[in-house]
Amino acid sequence: AAGVIQSPRHLIKEKRETATLKCYPIPRHDTVYWYQQGPGQDPQFLISFYEKMQSDKGSIPDRFSAQQFSDYHSELNMSSLELGDSALYFCASSSGTGGSYEQYFGPGTRLTVT
Amino acid sequence: GEDVEQSLFLSVREGDSSVINCTYTDSSSTYLYWYKQEPGAGLQLLTYIFSNMDMKQDQRLTVLLNKKDKHLSLRIADTQTGDSAIYFCAESKLPEAGNMLTFGGGTRLMVKP
Repeated sequence: AAGVIQSPRHLIKEKRETATLKCYPIPRHDTVYWYQQGPGQDPQFLISFYEKMQSDKGSIPDRFSAQQFSDYHSELNMSSLELGDSALYFCASSSGTGGSYEQYFGPGTRLTVT
Repeated sequence: GEDVEQSLFLSVREGDSSVINCTYTDSSSTYLYWYKQEPGAGLQLLTYIFSNMDMKQDQRLTVLLNKKDKHLSLRIADTQTGDSAIYFCAESKLPEAGNMLTFGGGTRLMVKP
């Protein structure tokens, strides 16, 4: 079965640079979630989108922005990168924010900021 | 996370049963989940339980929910070395507060041959 696709899988950036992470949800899934997992920590919710509209917002820094496109893929844009942004960034997808309780995660993008 | 707590580590022998525990604080949690994360990999949804259920069984996995004590457990029968991973419990408050997941800190399960 098709899974959530994230690209790139690994990314190395320097401080103050920008990064764009991409997420392609499972086909026919219309809701996308972004999570950040620091080293040795649990995943923290950043932001979610349902039908191309932002649905919930968590602990996402103002330096980050995200959007969901007409084909339901999503991009997380990160600017003025800091060392503390080094983490695994997961995207998850589900079918419908009001009715689906199953979130399926992608393999993650490992961002290293040097 | 602060709202969901797990013990850090569990070690069992191959063939034994493993029980991973989780406590949560928010009584409005509606769905409770177990995810498995292998080293360097993503989060695999193992199972979930709705808050009006006491138990759910799925092959080798049994989830028990004590809503009064806000305690959730995952039992893995006949634990195998391939079960070695970090197990996260998570809760959501769908639909009242969206479906974002709040995770516990994870329990590292080590299975010895």
